[in-house]
Amino acid sequence: DTGVSQNPRHKITKRGQNVTFRCDPISEHNRLYWYRQTLGQGPEFLTYFQNEAQLEKSRLLSDRFSAERPKGSFSTLEIQRTEQGDSAMYLCASSISGTSADYEQYFGPGTRLTVT
Amino acid sequence: AQSVTQLDSQVPVFEEAPVELRCNYSSSVSVYLFWYVQYPNQGLQLLLKYLSGSTLVESINGFEAEFNKSQTSFHLRKPSVHISDTAEYFCAVDTGGFKTIFGAGTRLFVKA
Repeated sequence: DTGVSQNPRHKITKRGQNVTFRCDPISEHNRLYWYRQTLGQGPEFLTYFQNEAQLEKSRLLSDRFSAERPKGSFSTLEIQRTEQGDSAMYLCASSISGTSADYEQYFGPGTRLTVT
Repeated sequence: AQSVTQLDSQVPVFEEAPVELRCNYSSSVSVYLFWYVQYPNQGLQLLLKYLSGSTLVESINGFEAEFNKSQTSFHLRKPSVHISDTAEYFCAVDTGGFKTIFGAGTRLFVKA
């Protein structure tokens, strides 16, 4: 169990560029979540996968945002045509269902995005 | 819609003093409740959770939280804090739909 990893840890991009972040969950975890966190706020839910199926999606996730989890393993979050308001920490978490650890989310270190 | 309110953004306290971090939630359905902690320069980690059963839940490092359905609260307490408890604490609610709503966080600062 190596924990949840996220890459890159930091990303600086110019407004209008596309960016993609990757999350590798704990290997046996079937649930995967994406959150966005800005300074002084708690994580805001963006989307949730159970295996490869995207089951929940926040209204915060505009059509510029897309997430995938092919084969139910790693996940990617892409932001197209970035805006300065997209600057935030993007967090990934994973959990496993059907055990005593149900609903316990394990978070990665996050990817800090700065849009200039 | 669910929401979570953490009533204090910052709580300074002296070492070995008791502390309470307050959390209120709103939901029209049954909820699961959580406290997560973020130590300086580290990621979020689960501190404790309430899913069902006993309304008082405890963590391995001496924190406890009590689910109060009538007051829609899930306050976090510790009878004697240590310098190492300095961190940001987040209350969170989930209705089982796997959309977890977090509060804005309370920064606990323990002074020597």
